Amino acid sequence: KQEVTQIPAALSVPEGENLVLNCSFTDSAIYNLQWFRQDPGKGLTSLLLIQSSQREQTSGRLNASLDKSSGRSTLYIAASQPGDSATYLCAVPTGAGGTSYGKLTFGQGTILTVHP
Amino acid sequence: GAVVSQHPSWVICKSGTSVKIECRSLDFQATTMFWYRQFPKQSLMLMATSNEGSKATYEQGVEKDKFLINHASLTLSTLTVTSAHPEDSSFYICSATPFEVADTQYFGPGTRLTVL
Repeated sequence: KQEVTQIPAALSVPEGENLVLNCSFTDSAIYNLQWFRQDPGKGLTSLLLIQSSQREQTSGRLNASLDKSSGRSTLYIAASQPGDSATYLCAVPTGAGGTSYGKLTFGQGTILTVHP
Repeated sequence: GAVVSQHPSWVICKSGTSVKIECRSLDFQATTMFWYRQFPKQSLMLMATSNEGSKATYEQGVEKDKFLINHASLTLSTLTVTSAHPEDSSFYICSATPFEVADTQYFGPGTRLTVL
């Protein structure tokens, strides 16, 4: 059974800092990995999707890397801003071989607070 | 594009009543929709997979008679919480997978259910 763990559970940083969020998964046979953002009481916004054949994806100040063999992914946020404050979730497809499209296993999330 | 809506956004009901939550893909056809629930400060847990025109597939531990899912069309899935009890209070989120892009899903904004 796939398990996803995120570290740290919470992070509070001053504005402008570069930071790294970590995600690990137990079954390395995944098809892809996604990072999401969730604002309080809201749904999820997809930030980055990394296919299993890729090592990283970039979108603006966000960079996500994937190391399938070690079962790890990191989300790097550059020059953090107060507007980045949210919960960040990583998720991988569920099921044997990690190819059950849409059925995702989520980590418990990292609550990020960026203070001015 | 790729917008998923949920209605209602929040609902408060008395114990014993049934509550229906709608999930709609507004600008695409969804072959599959997924229903998740999220308890406070916890991650999302998949409840069931809904395919248009067929019975939903429930995850282990989810009572199919309590959480009725109907996928009436390629743009609408409904979740009915029957005989709701306080322990059913949670944040329910749906997601939809476009017909054309099977490894991508878009999440609704969620529905906050509070059972008194």
